[in-house]
Amino acid sequence: AQKITQTQPGMFVQEKEAVTLDCTYDTSDQSYGLFWYKQPSSGEMIFLIYQGSYDEQNATEGRYSLNFQKARKSANLVISASQLGDSAMYFCAMREKDFGNEKLTFGTGTRLTIIP
Amino acid sequence: EAQVTQNPRYLITVTGKKLTVTCSQNMNHEYMSWYRQDPGLGLRQIYYSMNVEVTDKGDVPEGYKVSRKEKRNFPLILESPSPNQTSLYFCASTEITGGSGANVLTFGAGSRLTVL
Repeated sequence: AQKITQTQPGMFVQEKEAVTLDCTYDTSDQSYGLFWYKQPSSGEMIFLIYQGSYDEQNATEGRYSLNFQKARKSANLVISASQLGDSAMYFCAMREKDFGNEKLTFGTGTRLTIIP
Repeated sequence: EAQVTQNPRYLITVTGKKLTVTCSQNMNHEYMSWYRQDPGLGLRQIYYSMNVEVTDKGDVPEGYKVSRKEKRNFPLILESPSPNQTSLYFCASTEITGGSGANVLTFGAGSRLTVL
């Protein structure tokens, strides 16, 4: 089974609208972390937001929030008031307990296009 | 500025011609890792290193070598590149906390390799 599933290969959203990017995960660990990264067309990987499995509050960072539903094993990224600069590839990733290896397991990504 | 620097950013080579992609970080991180990114597969870990002279295989290590002689440097070596190693490569670094923590992986800008 895929550890990280992003079911939306591509999305088109009107500028200034909110957008939700889906991410579900699969783990048997009790302690894990969930991350979202943005990859613009220039190619670099930009960290956006983190949620720990024991965090009771949903994480927020500016216009980004993470809708964490632990029982459903979902960690959706919500971008409020989308901007043209939000057009990029977005990756959901998970870190499980693996002493010494700070590995992230990535989903296949969602390509978001913001329409003016 | 805290960063991970990779070189070269772009490279076209031929099958069998040994090459090295360099990676250097200035954040005094113990942990460094290499990933490759392929369409439809997300990012996959190639090798990682917990500290100087300590390296281990990730999920897709075949055809690659690494070394960690200094804390700041973690080169990726392709002894005999083949066309299936055409990919976008990322080096990343972070602190070590034993896994599943909130430590953010800082990525380099990526190295796009084409093997003919």
